[in-house]
Amino acid sequence: AAGVIQSPRHLIKEKRETATLKCYPIPRHDTVYWYQQGPGQDPQFLISFYEKMQSDKGSIPDRFSAQQFSDYHSELNMSSLELGDSALYFCASSRDGDRYYEQYFGPGTRLTVT
Amino acid sequence: AQTVTQSQPEMSVQEAETVTLSCTYDTSESDYYLFWYKQPPSRQMILVIRQEAYKQQNATENRFSVNFQKAAKSFSLKISDSQLGDAAMYFCAYRWTSGSRLTFGEGTQLTVNP
Repeated sequence: AAGVIQSPRHLIKEKRETATLKCYPIPRHDTVYWYQQGPGQDPQFLISFYEKMQSDKGSIPDRFSAQQFSDYHSELNMSSLELGDSALYFCASSRDGDRYYEQYFGPGTRLTVT
Repeated sequence: AQTVTQSQPEMSVQEAETVTLSCTYDTSESDYYLFWYKQPPSRQMILVIRQEAYKQQNATENRFSVNFQKAAKSFSLKISDSQLGDAAMYFCAYRWTSGSRLTFGEGTQLTVNP
């Protein structure tokens, strides 16, 4: 079965640079979620999109922006990167109407800021 | 705001034995979902088991079962016949309704001793 695809899997950036993380949801899934997991921490919700519209917003810094495109893939844009942005970034997807509205997680993008 | 608390940062169990991981949560909602996720060293988030709050019957999935106490807002995970492959970080998570964010606990690192 198809899973959530995230690219790149690993990314190394320097402070003050920008980064773009991509997420390709499972086919026919209409909702995408972004989570950030710092070292030794639990995943923290950043933002979500349903049918290309922002549906919820969590603790996402103003330096970050995200969108969902017409093909339902999503991109998380991160600017003016800081050392504290080093984390594992998960994307998850779900489909409206599924019995449990299950969120299926991608493998994550590991971002290292040096 | 909803909160999820896991009071056991680390737990260990002997292979083939049973272990119980604890989780408490706080919410003012009456309908919601609770989950246990497993995160092995690969860092992939794997759904172990889910519980719908309106169901009194405790969920079970093979060797995994939960003890859901809605009034006490408690949601523990029991792993029977523990296997070496069960070693991982386990996160308890709450979700209010369809399409909403997951709120995670701090996690419990489970070690399985041969």
